[in-house]
This record gives sequence, structure tokens and C-alpha cells, in this order.
Amino acid sequence: SAVISQKPSRDICQRGTSLTIQCQVDSQVTMMFWYRQQPGQSLTLIATANQGSEATYESGFVIDKFPISRPNLTFSTLTVSNMSPEDSSIYLCSVDRTEETQYFGPGTRLLVL
Amino acid sequence: DAKTTQPPSMDCAEGRAANLPCNHSTISGNEYVYWYRQIHSQGPQYIIHGLKNNETNEMASLIITEDRKSSTLILPHATLRDTAVYYCIVRVYSGGGADGLTFGKGTHLIIQP
Repeated sequence: SAVISQKPSRDICQRGTSLTIQCQVDSQVTMMFWYRQQPGQSLTLIATANQGSEATYESGFVIDKFPISRPNLTFSTLTVSNMSPEDSSIYLCSVDRTEETQYFGPGTRLLVL
Repeated sequence: DAKTTQPPSMDCAEGRAANLPCNHSTISGNEYVYWYRQIHSQGPQYIIHGLKNNETNEMASLIITEDRKSSTLILPHATLRDTAVYYCIVRVYSGGGADGLTFGKGTHLIIQP
């Protein structure tokens, strides 16, 4: 399995500000994914980040709100921009370590006041 | 990806086998069945996956019906630490790349002492 870390593990932010979440993997991976889990809900895929190309966003998510960087094969960032209380969620990154199995990081718990 | 149907919750006595059902009646021939679990807002943990044959690993067994329209995850000797939300997911594996996962609501398994 992959070792995946996320920073920060949790944060409390004021509305209107932005937060950048980092995801670090212990080995090189092609695909990295970002998910959101709103309170009491299941996970929803935000976007797929492939190194060397722009991220691919799912319906309902836009780059201006959730810009993603993928500078190398072990690292990615997700920024939650111009936050509102509705952005309070757990944000998770995941990777396909093998071509069949996806592993998840511990998540970043975000509370927007 | 095909949708899955799972019971919203189940109870199981500690030490007994926990059998979690999943229906995926519209599954395609190239879609795998994956099981993940999420323990109290941690990142989802991969359990097992399969295409058509039954699979077993150190965590669980996966039984897929011959027509592949349903499957059962078996935790052979459930412990209190197995209390979690269990997600059954079907996913296309295209060989050259991978897509994100589509999570349903899952089954909240509660292990009773």
C-alpha cells in the first residue's frame, strides 16, 4: 500500500480566505485524485490530477474554486478558494499505487466560519 | 460506472462473521467490484477487490455471484474495530489509466460486544 500524508490535518478558516492542502506520496504515481466529504455524506470526486497536464474536474467543481497543482509524481496541492461555510468538509487525496487499487490519505478537516 | 445498492446499516456480534451484501445488477464485463471501509471520518481503507472469481486476503473474503450482479463481503471474525461504513464500488479498469471512485452511501456496520 502507499504511504500518503496530507497537510494540514485540520484547519479553521474565515470565510473569504483560501486554504491550500498538500498531499505527499512515498513513491511516484501517475494519477492523484482529490475528494470532498461533506458532513454526514459520502465522498465525492473533485478532480483528477495527472502530472504534466491540467487537472480534470468533475461536474459541479471548477478550477477557479478548486485550483490544483501537480508539480511532480509524488506531490499535489488542492486550494479551496474564497471559502464559505458550505466548504466545511473533509478533503482527501488518493493515488493509484498499482493500476487496480486506489489508496487514500488521512484527510484534511476544514471548518469555515 | 454502474451503481451499487447496499443496506444502510447492519449489526453483527463480536466474534461472528459479518456478511455485507451489495447489488450491482448493471455491472459491465470490464468493471471490478471494490470494497472500502471508513472508520469514523478517517481516510477510506482498501479492503479487497475482484472481477469474477472469489477473492480472499488477510482482511476479508469477497464472494461474487456467477452472474456478477451481486457480491458479499465477509469479515470472518468481526471485532469492535471493524465498526465502520463499508462501501461497495464498481469501477472500470481501462488498463492504461484509472478513474476516480464513485462512492454510494455504504453500509454502516456496527459490531456489538
